[in-house]
Amino acid sequence: GQNIDQPTEMTATEGAIVQINCTYQTSGFNGLFWYQQHAGEAPTFLSYNVLDGLEEKGRFSSFLSRSKGYSYLLLKELQMKDSASYLCAVRDRENDYKLSFGAGTTVTVRA
Amino acid sequence: KAGVTQTPRYLIKTRGQQVTLSCSPISGHRSVSWYQQTPGQGLQFLFEYFSETQRNKGNFPGRFSGRQFSNSRSEMNVSTLELGDSALYLCASSRGGQVTGELFFGEGSRLTVL
Repeated sequence: GQNIDQPTEMTATEGAIVQINCTYQTSGFNGLFWYQQHAGEAPTFLSYNVLDGLEEKGRFSSFLSRSKGYSYLLLKELQMKDSASYLCAVRDRENDYKLSFGAGTTVTVRA
Repeated sequence: KAGVTQTPRYLIKTRGQQVTLSCSPISGHRSVSWYQQTPGQGLQFLFEYFSETQRNKGNFPGRFSGRQFSNSRSEMNVSTLELGDSALYLCASSRGGQVTGELFFGEGSRLTVL
């Protein structure tokens, strides 16, 4: 199975940068997803990495190192609306290509 | 186009009862997955349906079951409810195929068991 770890909580100031790390252990890695979930709302897709390197999408970037079993989500120019839970999910071909999720990182942005 | 719709949004049950939750996927999506979300546990995979067939199942007891209809709508049922079943149950749809792609989530059904 998978073992996906990410910090429970992070706090940052409006306008700053925050990096959310995710480490995983899987036997058949086949892609990593990041989702954002505001309180009381549905998770929404943010990014997808399957090859090593950085994927940039506006203020959000996601990085993957398959050899290290490591990813991070970088949030730049933080805004109050970025306060949410960020979920790391790994797809494993040895697990019927199911997505397994980490427990999520709650990011609080302060003025 | 309309997103994933889950009903009911909130419900309260007592121990021993059973509950049925419904999910209507995005039009054209053939895969529906169900997850249980609890504080500190994250999203735990329950099962996935594709073309009316259960394609994958998570590590939940047999009290948790589901099905998918020909129009891709899905239901999940939990029988003999326990206090620990209190959670947010999320449904997600995707276009389908062998590999799970981007998931589109509904807002969930929040179940409270008293």
